[in-house]
Amino acid sequence: QSALTQPASVSGSPGQSITISCTGTSSDVGGYNFVSWYQQHPGKAPKVMIYDVSDRPSGVSDRFSGSKSGYTASLTISGLQAEDEADYYCSSYTSVIPHVVFGGGTKLTVL
Amino acid sequence: QVQLQESGPGLVKPSETLSLTCTVSGDSISTFYWSWLRQPPGRGLEWIGYVYYTGSTNYNSSLKSRVTLSVDTSKNHFSLKLNSVTAADTAVYYCARAKSGRSYVPFDVWGPGTMVIVSS
Repeated sequence: QSALTQPASVSGSPGQSITISCTGTSSDVGGYNFVSWYQQHPGKAPKVMIYDVSDRPSGVSDRFSGSKSGYTASLTISGLQAEDEADYYCSSYTSVIPHVVFGGGTKLTVL
Repeated sequence: QVQLQESGPGLVKPSETLSLTCTVSGDSISTFYWSWLRQPPGRGLEWIGYVYYTGSTNYNSSLKSRVTLSVDTSKNHFSLKLNSVTAADTAVYYCARAKSGRSYVPFDVWGPGTMVIVSS
């Protein structure tokens, strides 16, 4: 059982937008703006796509955006492309040990 | 451009010690926090702990009694030791760097990962 709750799967057609949610508690998502989102293709290492709720690292497409409301953070991918098909994990700093928590991951399928 | 590379045995016997090293290239190991994470087959990510270049460490409490992280600045690498392993420790192990100025999230540079199987 993961500390943060994500849907197991989402899907969308090319060109559409999808949103993946990540729900936590007041100790993590709700208490800090240190939510990150990682993209992981099969057999590859995770890659940070969003950090600090809504900041994008250099080189990450602006089709990826993040937001937060209360205890739930969200990752939105607009203009879906085939290469966006991957697993997505949210992560947050938490005030309780172990100080880093992850969601269980969401498998994105591009139809 | 900084790169990380994990190395170590891919097969460890139950009750023995898992030992991995992460070599940092393209930048100094100093001034950053360096973490180990793992991902059991078909499952999510788990943070194991971090080591700072000074040798300061912090561990996930679920593994704290079995984990030791260390750093060797002269070799620009850091290491993980996990003792008394069981099949539940079978996973892909990643080393990663926390973004500048952070000790925890986000992890902005990752190694490719190394699969470690615990089996006799």
